Amino acid sequence: GQQLNQSPQSMFIQEGEDVSMNCTSSSIFNTWLWYKQDPGEGPVLLIALYKAGELTSNGRLTAQFGITRKDSFLNISASIPSDVGIYFCAGKAPPSGAGSYQLTFGKGTKLSVIP
Amino acid sequence: DAGVIQSPRHEVTEMGQEVTLRCKPISGHDYLFWYRQTMMRGLELLIYFNNNVPIDDSGMPEDRFSAKMPNASFSTLKIQPSEPRDSAVYFCASIPGELNTGELFFGEGSRLTVL
Repeated sequence: GQQLNQSPQSMFIQEGEDVSMNCTSSSIFNTWLWYKQDPGEGPVLLIALYKAGELTSNGRLTAQFGITRKDSFLNISASIPSDVGIYFCAGKAPPSGAGSYQLTFGKGTKLSVIP
Repeated sequence: DAGVIQSPRHEVTEMGQEVTLRCKPISGHDYLFWYRQTMMRGLELLIYFNNNVPIDDSGMPEDRFSAKMPNASFSTLKIQPSEPRDSAVYFCASIPGELNTGELFFGEGSRLTVL
């Protein structure tokens, strides 16, 4: 099956620093998604990418869909305490049949921001 | 609009007891997913439904787990008998039909502790 390698597993950074995390896959995806999970909550979508090479921003967040379609990265600029949480990448493969839906999640990057 | 609604938010039970988790997807969404989240394994897809029909249940750990979707607005995940290793956070998520953006909308999760 498809596997996503997300790194780093965890990060401790000072408030104001930039953050970078990435995901690589053994398979090609046609969509990359980045989610954030706050403690005690479900994951919430941050950015969606639909084309190879696409670079998309959402405030201080920037994500890119790799040219090979097997990787993606997420950058957070000028981190603030509320950026704390777990960030997940997810790759969506083309449907394999009627009604199929294949989304694979990375294991997450736990971000801690030191004020 | 109401998001995905899950109940209970927390459940503590003893080994051997039956556990039933409930989910109400977002109205109009055609797909419903059950995920399990643990520290060790991250987010694991257990099963998903399209138009109330189970499409892929290959992630269901074993026969002790079962899921139903009797109508478009309700699904259950049942564990019988429960075991300590079933302790995890169980998420329900939904998305619109095939022409969707790929974004999963997650509920807040049901935290299960089996003693």
